[in-house]
Amino acid sequence: NAGVMQNPRHLVRRRGQEARLRCSPMKGHSHVYWYRQLPEEGLKFMVYLQKENIIDESGMPKERFSAEFPKEGPSILRIQQVVRGDSAAYFCASSPPTVSYNEQFFGPGTRLTVL
Amino acid sequence: DAKTTQPPSMDCAEGRAANLPCNHSTISGNEYVYWYRQIHSQGPQYIIHGLKNNETNEMASLIITEDRKSSTLILPHATLRDTAVYYCIVRVGAGGTSYGKLTFGQGTILTVHP
Repeated sequence: NAGVMQNPRHLVRRRGQEARLRCSPMKGHSHVYWYRQLPEEGLKFMVYLQKENIIDESGMPKERFSAEFPKEGPSILRIQQVVRGDSAAYFCASSPPTVSYNEQFFGPGTRLTVL
Repeated sequence: DAKTTQPPSMDCAEGRAANLPCNHSTISGNEYVYWYRQIHSQGPQYIIHGLKNNETNEMASLIITEDRKSSTLILPHATLRDTAVYYCIVRVGAGGTSYGKLTFGQGTILTVHP
């Protein structure tokens, strides 16, 4: 059973470009989470999605950031008009729709560098 | 989710037990204690979780005090590959309003030395 997959693993963008980060959850998992880790800082929750629904986006910056998890295909975190402060590691996690608890399985991350 | 307090760093000799403490004095009755770790810059890895009883799996043991205000993660025979940042997280189980997201603190940097 393959783990959570993220691509690309490394992404370089110039200021003002768009960044698209992809996350394929583990088989059978219908919950996806995105976290961001700025250099020398801890992991911060961004958004929690289920298929075709955003459940909690309380950690998403108000502008330029969006996320989706379509019925078919991977979850996408999209950052428009990137700035240097967006440089970070972006981690995706997935979990199964269990009832009593959920264990989140993390991907290897996408390291975004904005020049 | 309740706030947790962990020591910023700890050392452990290879082959010895590593005991990582966590304080969560404001924990609520429906909140679980989770432990994750992050090795170097990899994605976090789930270790173990518990509600009120002690738990053990192939990776570690979790000891939760009777009043549930603190817990200890035990790695019984630490190896060099256990060097990582260890996060203690308290959160509700299914049905709570914050079900879903994990709130990571600063964690404990565990260094296992030869």
